[in-house]
Amino acid sequence: DTAVSQTPKYLVTQMGNDKSIKCEQNLGHDTMYWYKQDSKKFLKIMFSYNNKELIINETVPNRFSPKSPDKAHLNLHINSLELGDSAVYFCASSQGLAGVNTGELFFGEGSRLTVL
Amino acid sequence: RKEVEQDPGPFNVPEGATVAFNCTYSNSASQSFFWYRQDCRKEPKLLMSVYSSGNEDGRFTAQLNRASQYISLLIRDSKLSDSATYLCVVKFIDYKLSFGAGTTVTVRA
Repeated sequence: DTAVSQTPKYLVTQMGNDKSIKCEQNLGHDTMYWYKQDSKKFLKIMFSYNNKELIINETVPNRFSPKSPDKAHLNLHINSLELGDSAVYFCASSQGLAGVNTGELFFGEGSRLTVL
Repeated sequence: RKEVEQDPGPFNVPEGATVAFNCTYSNSASQSFFWYRQDCRKEPKLLMSVYSSGNEDGRFTAQLNRASQYISLLIRDSKLSDSATYLCVVKFIDYKLSFGAGTTVTVRA
């Protein structure tokens, strides 16, 4: 059983389109995240939810909208895609904020988004 | 200045060699420190925490120098399977982990 699963794994789309990435975790964790990893491999946090409540909302364009219908799911919707949105988007989960003392985040396999 | 900075490498080492690299962080109030490992085109995974007194996990040794604001990772007796990108991770406040861009290590036969 995959602990953190995200779909789709690959997404190729045109500029201006709207797309969504879904994430589910079966670890019973209360905190979920979206990270973006760009071509320089820099992994930057976008959003964090704790018990469905938005905790972290970094400087991310309004075109990005997360939604957490329950503790086990965190989806990411992106409107009006731009070339600069091309990246790998990782969903992650942890027990407690930032994994509390362990600092352990469990990542999904990533969704590679290419905007043409 | 980035919150967490790492030498991107790559560090190319033969099997059996020792390799070490550092990571610096900008916020002196940082609370906790970790090393993650990311294989090519895979997700990051926690390798080990870094404790104030330094700690070992098998062939891996992590050190923290709060005065100079850096952490280090040393890999002894390198294996081919150690080839990966090692991400330095710093917790500044209770709910945020900041990742460095990673140091790439390639172990050759």
